[in-house]
Amino acid sequence: GDSVTQMEGPVTLSEEAFLTINCTYTATGYPSLFWYVQYPGEGLQLLLKATKADDKGSNKGFEATYRKETTSFHLEKGSVQVSDSAVYFCALSVPSGAQKLVFGQGTRLTINP
Amino acid sequence: DSGVTQTPKHLITATGQRVTLRCSPRSGDLSVYWYQQSLDQGLQFLIQYYNGEERAKGNILERFSAQQFPDLHSELNLSSLELGDSALYFCASSVAGVGETQYFGPGTRLLVL
Repeated sequence: GDSVTQMEGPVTLSEEAFLTINCTYTATGYPSLFWYVQYPGEGLQLLLKATKADDKGSNKGFEATYRKETTSFHLEKGSVQVSDSAVYFCALSVPSGAQKLVFGQGTRLTINP
Repeated sequence: DSGVTQTPKHLITATGQRVTLRCSPRSGDLSVYWYQQSLDQGLQFLIQYYNGEERAKGNILERFSAQQFPDLHSELNLSSLELGDSALYFCASSVAGVGETQYFGPGTRLLVL
């Protein structure tokens, strides 16, 4: 079945460090790919998305490129801030059947000043 | 603020009881999705409704049921509650097309004692 695998956390970085959170997927067809972020005590917010191969999603300094050949959608940011501390979820949605989201297990990110 | 509202925010109840969680989608969204977030299972899709009709089912227990009303709000009913049903329940909505972004509500935290 469809699945998403994220790098295990937690991840702790210093402010201004470079961030990569790995995400790979298995899916039938050509899924849309998403990164959601969950701040403490809140719901999930869409961070960025890509709907076809080689698309790059970007928002708030975060980027991820849809790589069909490696079935990956790694999240990157060049210089993290304390306010980026949150749990990050990679997810996919396949184009047939239910448009449900299939989530990875989440990666908790803590940024220290 | 995603525009999706959920009530109540917190719910504490006892085993064997029944509860109802309510969700109002964003204005104009026809699809409503329910997800369960627990420590051991992560984020799991439960059920989707589109314009009042059930569209897809995921890992939803038989003790759980949902419906979407003519005004498009949705309710998730959980009955014969068990300790293991304690979780965060999210509702999301979308316009309902392939690759559409799902917007999440703040969630209802259910604690079964």
